Amino acid sequence: AQKVTQAQTEISVVEKEDVTLDCVYETRDTTYYLFWYKQPPSGELVFLIRRNSFDEQNEISGRYSWNFQKSTSSFNFTITASQVVDSAVYFCALSEAGSGYSTLTFGKGTMLLVSP
Amino acid sequence: DAEITQSPRHKITETGRQVTLACHQTWNHNNMFWYRQDLGHGLRLIHYSYGVQDTNKGEVSDGYSVSRSNTEDLPLTLESAASSQTSVYFCASSLGGSGTETQYFGPGTRLLVL
Repeated sequence: AQKVTQAQTEISVVEKEDVTLDCVYETRDTTYYLFWYKQPPSGELVFLIRRNSFDEQNEISGRYSWNFQKSTSSFNFTITASQVVDSAVYFCALSEAGSGYSTLTFGKGTMLLVSP
Repeated sequence: DAEITQSPRHKITETGRQVTLACHQTWNHNNMFWYRQDLGHGLRLIHYSYGVQDTNKGEVSDGYSVSRSNTEDLPLTLESAASSQTSVYFCASSLGGSGTETQYFGPGTRLLVL
């Protein structure tokens, strides 16, 4: 069965610090997809990234970067030079391709608080 | 612009009442999902649909039902509301295929069962 663990329940940083959010997953499939979503205080869920298991290249988008390591079953998310607007709950999620239809399993989320 | 909407955004009801939460998407997505979000549990899947007339149970389906009569809508019904169903409910949709596509979420419905 698929499982996602976000061990950091809450992280507090000061603006301009770099911060890494950890995500560890479990799956028996060789083909799977990993996601990150952001939930700001307003409550909506915002899609950030989708990565398939065959693409281990790191991804960078502005101040955001993602490090995918199959050897450690991790898909970590780094925010460089954090800003107050980055304050949110961040969810990592996993979907196995397997056979037939799949569903998305979420971690319990990491709350990030960025102080000015 | 295409979007996914939920109504109502806030709802207060009493124990034992039937409640229906609406979800409507205009992306023409085949897949639709309902989740509940509770502190300490993250998001948990209630029901999902991979097309018209298709419905499936998720991790926490007891006490909930859905029906899919068209592509755009997946209403979630609480047959007899219980205080344990106080939660924030999110609807999501994705294009189609194997279920591994990106899901896009509605704004959520906050439900309080007294």
